[in-house]
Amino acid sequence: DTEVTQTPKHLVMGMTNKKSLKCEQHMGHRAMYWYKQKAKKPPELMFVYSYEKLSINESVPSRFSPECPNSSLLNLHLHALQPEDSALYLCASSQSRQGNQPQHFGDGTRLSIL
Amino acid sequence: GEDVEQSLFLSVREGDSSVINCTYTDSSSTYLYWYKQEPGAGLQLLTYIFSNMDMKQDQRLTVLLNKKDKHLSLRIADTQTGDSAIYFCAESKGSARQLTFGSGTQLTVLP
Repeated sequence: DTEVTQTPKHLVMGMTNKKSLKCEQHMGHRAMYWYKQKAKKPPELMFVYSYEKLSINESVPSRFSPECPNSSLLNLHLHALQPEDSALYLCASSQSRQGNQPQHFGDGTRLSIL
Repeated sequence: GEDVEQSLFLSVREGDSSVINCTYTDSSSTYLYWYKQEPGAGLQLLTYIFSNMDMKQDQRLTVLLNKKDKHLSLRIADTQTGDSAIYFCAESKGSARQLTFGSGTQLTVLP
């Protein structure tokens, strides 16, 4: 069982819809991450939050908008997505961004864009 | 993941040992990780090793690190069908300590 919880597990949306992905952890971790993973490929980093502040944006298109309301929650707001955005979106958290603090992943949200 | 390389596929018989290999290129990497991903699931942290260590053992898992050759391996003893999954190695490097993943190795355990 993962200690990082992501909802929903599956999401189908049209290109004009607005939806949000949610991630929650109660391990007291202060770093949280969003990754995008295409089938049979490794995860690709999208955003990093450290102490509720955005610290890394890997040149992600503005149709993806992250938000960190508090230290336990991380959202990813979606708007006007494209079919190529269909993927598994993974959230992870770690105690901090130090290299000796491993990242723990949720089970992901499988997103399909029609 | 182009800085971290793994072979794409490995098949073993149930009960045999599996060895999954990984090479990395950044000598400044300090921590190296192994993650397991089952179909439809996220990444499960299996184990990790600090770069000043040569070996780490945890139950059926043994990690070997050859820092000179930048080679990392994961040995799974007595491999079971439940071990069938994709295994990713990853290195933590750079000032931002971001994870760089290998391409993943699909392990298939045959009965």
